[in-house]
Amino acid sequence: DAGVIQSPRHEVTEMGQEVTLRCKPISGHDYLFWYRQTMMRGLELLIYFNNNVPIDDSGMPEDRFSAKMPNASFSTLKIQPSEPRDSAVYFCASRDGPGTEAFFGQGTRLTVV
Amino acid sequence: ELKVEQNPLFLSMQEGKNYTIYCNYSTTSDRLYWYRQDPGKSLESLFVLLSNGAVKQEGRLMASLDTKARLSTLHITAAVHDLSATYFCAVVLTSGSRLTFGEGTQLTVNP
Repeated sequence: DAGVIQSPRHEVTEMGQEVTLRCKPISGHDYLFWYRQTMMRGLELLIYFNNNVPIDDSGMPEDRFSAKMPNASFSTLKIQPSEPRDSAVYFCASRDGPGTEAFFGQGTRLTVV
Repeated sequence: ELKVEQNPLFLSMQEGKNYTIYCNYSTTSDRLYWYRQDPGKSLESLFVLLSNGAVKQEGRLMASLDTKARLSTLHITAAVHDLSATYFCAVVLTSGSRLTFGEGTQLTVNP
């Protein structure tokens, strides 16, 4: 398996624009996580899914953020409208069952100017 | 709310020396993970610790878990430059699936 695949790797956008980040989890994994990493706040869990169903979205900063998982092999994280404070590295991770480690994608580095 | 704290946050050490990174957490858990992150890169899984007293070793790194003390340690033996990275511990509550990370320990090994 190629691992967790995220796209794009880098995104630069203007404030107010819509941004969509994409993630393909490892095949067969039933948990998918979206994290945000910044120097100030470290690694923050935004939302996670189990069997395509959102379980905990308490980390989503505000209504500008939304995440979907329409099927077991694809998830999106959307920011609309984007703001400079959204600049961060966004990681997607997946795992197979509650006792296993999560495998991380390469991340999307988002810069909002 | 689960809190995960690492100590120290920054560690500069000489090659060949030994040191320990500590990870404390605030709520009952029997699942703890250690990750490594190189600058600008993703997180790489190092160890999975799933029970009290669990000990795992890989090369110069050894991790252990004491669920009663809510403490995990990552011990570095005879450090080498290639171990320079940021190390994270992450904890999952016994009753849940949410993976909560510590702040990370930035390790620099000097020649």
